[in-house]
This record gives sequence, C-alpha cells and structure tokens, in this order.
Amino acid sequence: GENVEQHPSTLSVQEGDSAVIKCTYSDSASNYFPWYKQELGKGPQLIIDIRSNVGEKKDQRIAVTLNKTAKHFSLHITETQPEDSAVYFCAADGSSNTGKLIFGQGTTLQVKP
Amino acid sequence: SAVISQKPSRDICQRGTSLTIQCQVDSQVTMMFWYRQQPGQSLTLIATANQGSEATYESGFVIDKFPISRPNLTFSTLTVSNMSPEDSSIYLCSVYRDRDSKAFFGQGTRLTVV
Repeated sequence: GENVEQHPSTLSVQEGDSAVIKCTYSDSASNYFPWYKQELGKGPQLIIDIRSNVGEKKDQRIAVTLNKTAKHFSLHITETQPEDSAVYFCAADGSSNTGKLIFGQGTTLQVKP
Repeated sequence: SAVISQKPSRDICQRGTSLTIQCQVDSQVTMMFWYRQQPGQSLTLIATANQGSEATYESGFVIDKFPISRPNLTFSTLTVSNMSPEDSSIYLCSVYRDRDSKAFFGQGTRLTVV
C-alpha cells in the first residue's frame, strides 16, 4: 500500500523568509496530493492540492510542486507570516481516486516575528 | 470548502462506555471517511463509510469497536465502543466533494476517556 514520508518534522523560520516542506510517496499510481494546515484545536484545513498530471500549482504565497519520476512533492510558502505557524500535513490518495488519504507525519512550522 | 459539522466537538467519557459522533455535510457526497488522530500524531484512516452498506475498515480497526452508519449521502455516525483511555484521540470526519474531487475535513471530536 501507499506510504508517505514527510520532512522536516519541525521547521523554524523568521518572518518574511520562505519555508519548504517535502514529502515522498511509494505508490506510483497515486493521483491526488493535498496539503493541510492544522491549527491547535482545529481540524485540518485544505490549503492547496495537486494532481499527477500537473507539475506545479500556485495560490498566492503558497505553491506545490510534484515530481512524479522521483515520487516526491513539496510545499513552498513564501513571505511567511506569524499566522502561518501551524502543523502542516501532506497526503496522497494511493491511486484510490476516492479521497481516501494516507498522511505524512506532519511538520510543525514556527514563524518567528 | 465544504461545510462539515461534527458533533460533539469534545467529550470526556468513562471507560467502558460508548460515544457516537455525528457528521453532517452541507451537500451530497459519494465518499465519506473517518480518521483518528492520536495526541501529537498524524491522521490514520479508520474506515470508509458506505451509503446503504457496511463500512469498509482499514487494517487494525474492526466493526465491533467502531461501528459506522451512513443512512444517506449527507450524514454519517461513528461510534467508539467500550472505550478505554487508549481511545483518547481526535476523531475526524472527511468527505471527498464530487464536483471538484477535493477532500475536506470537519473540525473533529476531541475525546478523552478517563
């Protein structure tokens, strides 16, 4: 089955710097790769996603890149702000194409003002 | 994003009892899922809630412990049965929205078993 590895587990950056979180997956048939932001006491919030037929997607300060050959995808946050501080999870659908997801271990991002 | 309402948002329960968690979606969806998030950990899929048939459970999860109902395309329940302190977790409902094939989560139910 699908396995998703996420790095780093913690990341601390200065406000205004960029942050990059990387994930690798094992099932080459995976098609859907969402990223979630989870703030303390809240459920995961979908912030961006990408599908296997696209290499890069951007939404304001957030971008995701996908390398199907290497089976890895990354989240890029530019011009970080203190409110970006949260736990970020990557996920892959393991070719289910149904929204059934396997999650990475999570990255705790701290943006220092 | 999809509007997903989970109830209760949190509860403290005695060991040996059961708790039923409700998940209501603002539009019909084909796929609904239940996840568990243990303290400080990532999300683990418990089961797929199938409308009109028995849920499909992932390895390590059984129907007797986590019975699930899905009476229609907007509602599902998860019951955590015969609870022990090890069941203390956040339980999350997720839907895969058909019109744009995106996966959304509810706010979660924070369960503490004492």
